[in-house]
Amino acid sequence: GAGVSQSPRYKVAKRGQDVALRCDPISGHVSLFWYQQALGQGPEFLTYFQNEAQLDKSGLPSDRFFAERPEGSVSTLKIQRTQQEDSAVYLCASSLAVWSGDEQYFGPGTRLTVT
Amino acid sequence: EDKVVQSPLSLVVHEGDTVTLNCSYEVTNFRSLLWYKQEKKAPTFLFMLTSSGIEKKSGRLSSILDKKELFSILNITATQTGDSAVYLCAVSTGTASKLTFGTGTRLQVTL
Repeated sequence: GAGVSQSPRYKVAKRGQDVALRCDPISGHVSLFWYQQALGQGPEFLTYFQNEAQLDKSGLPSDRFFAERPEGSVSTLKIQRTQQEDSAVYLCASSLAVWSGDEQYFGPGTRLTVT
Repeated sequence: EDKVVQSPLSLVVHEGDTVTLNCSYEVTNFRSLLWYKQEKKAPTFLFMLTSSGIEKKSGRLSSILDKKELFSILNITATQTGDSAVYLCAVSTGTASKLTFGTGTRLQVTL
């Protein structure tokens, strides 16, 4: 596709449910990032993949958060036993390569509401 | 801990005004500074700055970086209502180029 796509665009989960958020990066992009954006705040880094390797997961807020990119393309962010504080927009971004520059292209995000 | 601070937090101007948005940072392993525009969806890329003192320009928008004083400004001249958005400043750090964002400046341009 032409840009980064994410699905679903909106997700409402009851507290305690598990959710899975999908990101389709721009074709051929090596690097993939997940960010969490709370209302009125800037995005905060969660995790980073270079191809299928998860090289940095320092931003994941707890062990309930798990991300994967098994074939180096599509990525899934999974949140287990959701809590109200997980409510946020989850943004995915991709960039062409690690060394060729830092311009990241963002998807539209998934707005997660935990009730 | 890496930190990016933007000011003002919000701004209301009349169409045709010129605005200056500020971004200061305190990070380790600086690679570049980026500006994004966010309306009700994905942040869209505006500029990436790596060198001090070199102005980047795109239409009515321009930006410059000062690596000695650790700040950047984004200027918008002859503002239009379509410029209304949140403007995010981010700094890229480390080998993975992860972005640390400020909280953004919310700009509203009125008629």
